[in-house]
Amino acid sequence: AQKITQTQPGMFVQEKEAVTLDCTYDTSDQSYGLFWYKQPSSGEMIFLIYQGSYDEQNATEGRYSLNFQKARKSANLVISASQLGDSAMYFCAMRARNDMRFGAGTRLTVKP
Amino acid sequence: SQTIHQWPATLVQPVGSPLSLECTVEGTSNPNLYWYRQAAGRGLQLLFYSVGIGQISSEVPQNLSASRPQDRQFILSSKKLRLSDSGFYLCAWSVPGRYEQYFGPGTRLTVT
Repeated sequence: AQKITQTQPGMFVQEKEAVTLDCTYDTSDQSYGLFWYKQPSSGEMIFLIYQGSYDEQNATEGRYSLNFQKARKSANLVISASQLGDSAMYFCAMRARNDMRFGAGTRLTVKP
Repeated sequence: SQTIHQWPATLVQPVGSPLSLECTVEGTSNPNLYWYRQAAGRGLQLLFYSVGIGQISSEVPQNLSASRPQDRQFILSSKKLRLSDSGFYLCAWSVPGRYEQYFGPGTRLTVT
């Protein structure tokens, strides 16, 4: 069975600094996708970034990058130059076939 | 561009009453559709997914059901709500064969 683990319930970062949110996963599938979503207080889930299991390069989307270490089964999210609007819950997720699993989430607070 | 709608945005229902939540997608055809539930302060749990009209797969046994009467319409129902059904319900869609899922704004259900 697939499993996603986010070990940081909460994180604080100073505005304009970088922050890494941890995510590890477990699966027996060879083909899978890894995602990060942002959930602000409004509740909507905003897709941030995607990494395929066969992608050799780490995914990047603007200030977001995914540090993919396949052998260690980790898919950490790095947010550079944090902004106050980055304060939200962040969820790591993995999809294999039609099974989508989410981690418990990390609440990020950006301090001014 | 594609958009996904959910209604109602919030709902308060007594225990034992029926439920019907609706999700529609615009701007795409034959999407894969998903229903998730998020308990307060928790990650998302996949409830149902559908790869086509009338095709529903259930991930978690419960007193909820789903139907897909039209290509871009996905409905979550219950005949008798329980207190444990309270939560935030999110509908999502994806392009068949692609991993990324895109979420609707969600429905916050409170069962009293």
